[in-house]
Amino acid sequence: AQTVTQSQPEMSVQEAETVTLSCTYDTSESDYYLFWYKQPPSRQMILVIRQEAYKQQNATENRFSVNFQKAAKSFSLKISDSQLGDAAMYFCAYRSSDGTASKLTFGTGTRLQVTL
Amino acid sequence: NAGVMQNPRHLVRRRGQEARLRCSPMKGHSHVYWYRQLPEEGLKFMVYLQKENIIDESGMPKERFSAEFPKEGPSILRIQQVVRGDSAAYFCASSTGGQGGQPQHFGDGTRLSIL
Repeated sequence: AQTVTQSQPEMSVQEAETVTLSCTYDTSESDYYLFWYKQPPSRQMILVIRQEAYKQQNATENRFSVNFQKAAKSFSLKISDSQLGDAAMYFCAYRSSDGTASKLTFGTGTRLQVTL
Repeated sequence: NAGVMQNPRHLVRRRGQEARLRCSPMKGHSHVYWYRQLPEEGLKFMVYLQKENIIDESGMPKERFSAEFPKEGPSILRIQQVVRGDSAAYFCASSTGGQGGQPQHFGDGTRLSIL
């Protein structure tokens, strides 16, 4: 079974600075997908960024980018130019490429605080 | 709003009652997933359904919990004889297909409170 580990329960960043959230995972599969979801106090689950394991190029979405290290099974999220609206819980998630096993497996989350 | 719609947003039940949570997927989505989030924890997978079929229920408790996604109408997560430990946020997500690359879009969740 796959597992996802987020070792940072809480992180803090100053506005306009850069922060990196860590995520590691364990799997025996070679093809899979990785995601970062954001959950603000409203509890909505918002997809931030997605990475296909077969792609070596790291995904980017505006101020959000990932550092995907397949051999190390590491998938960190970098938020540049942090804004107050970035304050939220961030969840890393794994999904098999097998269509019958397409559930998301989530980490326990990292709470990000953004300070002035 | 063409997003995933869940209702009710909040549901309060007394121990022993039944809870019914509804989820209408995004337009064009035929795959539905239910997740449970306990306080201060991540989301845990419960069940994956397509229209009229349960594909994966490996995360569902063996007793009291059931889910359906009929040909017509929303997906329903049903919890019978609720207990305090069922208090949680229940999220529904939908996608166009079950392949890993197709993102799951989440509803706003139903917060279930058991008195």
